[in-house]
Amino acid sequence: DIQMTQSPSFLSASVGDRVTINCKASQNINKYLNWYQQKLGEAPKLLIYNTNNLQTGIPSRFSGSGSGTDYTLTISSLQPEDVATYFCLQHSSRPLTFGSGTKLEIK
Amino acid sequence: QVQLQQSGAELVKPGSSVKISCKASGYTFTSYDMHWIKQQPGNGLEWIGWIYPGNGNTKYNQKFNGKATLTADKSSSTAYMQLSSLTSEDSAVYFCARGTTDYYYPDYWGQGVMVTVSS
Repeated sequence: DIQMTQSPSFLSASVGDRVTINCKASQNINKYLNWYQQKLGEAPKLLIYNTNNLQTGIPSRFSGSGSGTDYTLTISSLQPEDVATYFCLQHSSRPLTFGSGTKLEIK
Repeated sequence: QVQLQQSGAELVKPGSSVKISCKASGYTFTSYDMHWIKQQPGNGLEWIGWIYPGNGNTKYNQKFNGKATLTADKSSSTAYMQLSSLTSEDSAVYFCARGTTDYYYPDYWGQGVMVTVSS
């Protein structure tokens, strides 16, 4: 199974800050990497698919990058409604595997 | 719009089984895989497997072989997951999520079902 190492586990930032979250795969996943947002008590929401494609309806302050084993989610200007847990998913091979999540809070 | 409505929370006894449901609407149920995912506090998310309702084909994470059984009812656009021989390790929130037709990842998710295994 492909292991996904996500960092940091917890992040506190101010409104307007640029925020980055990272995922590292245990092997090359060929950009088959998604990012999801999960607000407290809600279902996860797809933000980014295949490394850098913004899902319909997601604000443009969210972006993704990466290749090989290293991937990044960036929020260009943090907003209060971005408080959530973010996690990555690799769908390069079965079983699908997830990062451990990053809890994002407003400072 | 795509909606996945899952059944309600379950409190079940160790050693028993539970069957949870996921009713789909807003798209052609038989044309998309349905993924199932387990979420435990502190253990993150685990992919259980998927079913293709069009023909009933399934693919499981080897870890859940013998634990989870995925089925689908085309007539009601509802997917089911049965969990058997329940232990405290099975206490979790379980999500269904529609799979895309191109890269087979989950896009739209249900609200989740909390299963608590306790005597």
